[in-house]
Amino acid sequence: DQQVKQNSPSLSVQEGRISILNCDYTNSMFDYFLWYKKYPAEGPTFLISISSIKDKNEDGRFTVFLNKSAKHLSLHIVPSQPGDSAVYFCAAQYGSSNTGKLIFGQGTTLQVKP
Amino acid sequence: DVKVTQSSRYLVKRTGEKVFLECVQDMDHENMFWYRQDPGLGLRLIYFSYDVKMKEKGDIPEGYSVSREKKERFSLILESASTNQTSMYLCASSLPWTGYNQPQHFGDGTRLSIL
Repeated sequence: DQQVKQNSPSLSVQEGRISILNCDYTNSMFDYFLWYKKYPAEGPTFLISISSIKDKNEDGRFTVFLNKSAKHLSLHIVPSQPGDSAVYFCAAQYGSSNTGKLIFGQGTTLQVKP
Repeated sequence: DVKVTQSSRYLVKRTGEKVFLECVQDMDHENMFWYRQDPGLGLRLIYFSYDVKMKEKGDIPEGYSVSREKKERFSLILESASTNQTSMYLCASSLPWTGYNQPQHFGDGTRLSIL
């Protein structure tokens, strides 16, 4: 049973426009949500996170929005740059667990065209 | 800067072999994790460890075991490799949960092919 889902395998946007990556989850007990970016032949790198008690977190060009009633979060990249082309993974975390275990979605491949 | 190092970038083994994947982190992190990444399935947790000699099964532990004899090193063992274990394997480490999100830091992965 997939607790974290990214239903769009790929997304293509023009440089300078907004990229919106979506993620849905099923478990209302998650405490944190994270986004990771992965380039080919490299490990995922942490991008941005949001606590379940917030609805928005911003870091430069990256903003994550959380809609708890819909169990949905999204990552907005504005403006998109060709260097943003990568696979983006959404992940959820239980805060009560000391291990910080993450549950990942399937990933969305973003292509930003020059 | 956190450094997670996986011993091999590419590995080719034969069916039935015992395979060892090694991971070392240099930030004194308590938590360490092993994932596999497959197309369309994302990252799936195999095993994790929250202290030396402590381990817990993740979502897909079958066919795997782990060893953590020292804090900085976490090994993944394929007891008898099979072709369905051909995958990208990723190791990660993190601090323990302190009430604030502690991101996991990943190595660059080992691309394992079982022939």
